[in-house]
Amino acid sequence: GQNIDQPTEMTATEGAIVQINCTYQTSGFNGLFWYQQHAGEAPTFLSYNVLDGLEEKGRFSSFLSRSKGYSYLLLKELQMKDSASYLCAVLDSNYQLIWGAGTKLIIKP
Amino acid sequence: DAMVIQNPRYQVTQFGKPVTLSCSQTLNHNVMYWYQQKSSQAPKLLFHYYDKDFNNEADTPDNFQSRRPNTSFCFLDIRSPGLGDAAMYLCATSRVAGGEYDEQFFGPGTRLTVL
Repeated sequence: GQNIDQPTEMTATEGAIVQINCTYQTSGFNGLFWYQQHAGEAPTFLSYNVLDGLEEKGRFSSFLSRSKGYSYLLLKELQMKDSASYLCAVLDSNYQLIWGAGTKLIIKP
Repeated sequence: DAMVIQNPRYQVTQFGKPVTLSCSQTLNHNVMYWYQQKSSQAPKLLFHYYDKDFNNEADTPDNFQSRRPNTSFCFLDIRSPGLGDAAMYLCATSRVAGGEYDEQFFGPGTRLTVL
């Protein structure tokens, strides 16, 4: 079966750094996405990785290791508005997007 | 601004009373998707259209149907809503199916309550 694993919930402090991990087992791989979803709202795109390594985009970075079936999303200089769920999703060999359940990130002052 | 629009944002219906949710897009994307998302769960793909080519996910209940009369519009029909169908329904689009970069753009969602 296809599976995406992420922690259910994480807590971090404003101004700090947090790393949200995602491991996946899918039939094939055509890229990994991270989306941010605020409570009651639709997901919004954060990043896409298809090659190994780190992609940096402002305060957010995403890392991929295809051999390990592993990715992480790194958030720096956390702000209160970063409180949201972060969803990992993998595009499989049929170009179907397989979604994780998301990691709820709670930011404390 | 190019966008994905969903109406209504909040929908209340009675148990068993048919309901239709609508989605429109000004992005001119080929692919449209309907997802169901329950609290703290992953979005669950119900249907997707590549242009007018309809694709039903294997485990989508028969209670759900979809229509895409043209490139811009897509509808989700729930024939006889049950209490278990209360959820957020998300419409999304992507430029192409597959390929190197298949970012999906989401509408704001319709939150369905079944009484």
